[in-house]
Amino acid sequence: NAGVTQTPKFQVLKTGQSMTLQCAQDMNHNSMYWYRQDPGMGLRLIYYSASEGTTDKGEVPNGYNVSRLNKREFSLRLESAAPSQTSVYFCASTTSPSYEQYFGPGTRLTVT
Amino acid sequence: AQKITQTQPGMFVQEKEAVTLDCTYDTSDPSYGLFWYKQPSSGEMIFLIYQGSYDQQNATEGRYSLNFQKARKSANLVISASQLGDSAMYFCAMRDQGNTPLVFGKGTRLSVIA
Repeated sequence: NAGVTQTPKFQVLKTGQSMTLQCAQDMNHNSMYWYRQDPGMGLRLIYYSASEGTTDKGEVPNGYNVSRLNKREFSLRLESAAPSQTSVYFCASTTSPSYEQYFGPGTRLTVT
Repeated sequence: AQKITQTQPGMFVQEKEAVTLDCTYDTSDPSYGLFWYKQPSSGEMIFLIYQGSYDQQNATEGRYSLNFQKARKSANLVISASQLGDSAMYFCAMRDQGNTPLVFGKGTRLSVIA
């Protein structure tokens, strides 16, 4: 049981480049989330998917797009990376909002 | 809108002592849940404890307990008998009723001193 997996673990991009962060969970969870973590800011929600086929914006969605490919997978795309998107990105999932979220190991992204 | 406030950016505690990490919240919903997570230096997020707004008793999980004071809108985490491995960032989070995501506080960095 791998839980929540994220790829890649580390990435360096140049300004303007695009990339997709991948997230998958094998716990049959309905809801999935993307957060970014910046020093002194805690975790801020970028996008979430309450169930397969739905996605909604979070607190900081600008510059990002998401795809809930199926129940297992939820990807985050940066179309044109900016230095302000340098951060650690976490994917999480839960079976229900009443229960705890399980987090992936994170992706450390640097945009130069 | 929900809001979580953690006013202690950093805390120090002596090994084997108890420590309280503060968390206050704001919501207009009568039904909500409160969570605490630990983030060690390795970076992963570890769930510690959960308290529902209608739970009659304070939640406990091993050395962790949640001091829930509903009228004061506070949900402080108490760690008893601190260990060196408790040194980490600690985040308080909440969700209100419905299928809403968690909102996190900015965290408290706890350092346990031998």
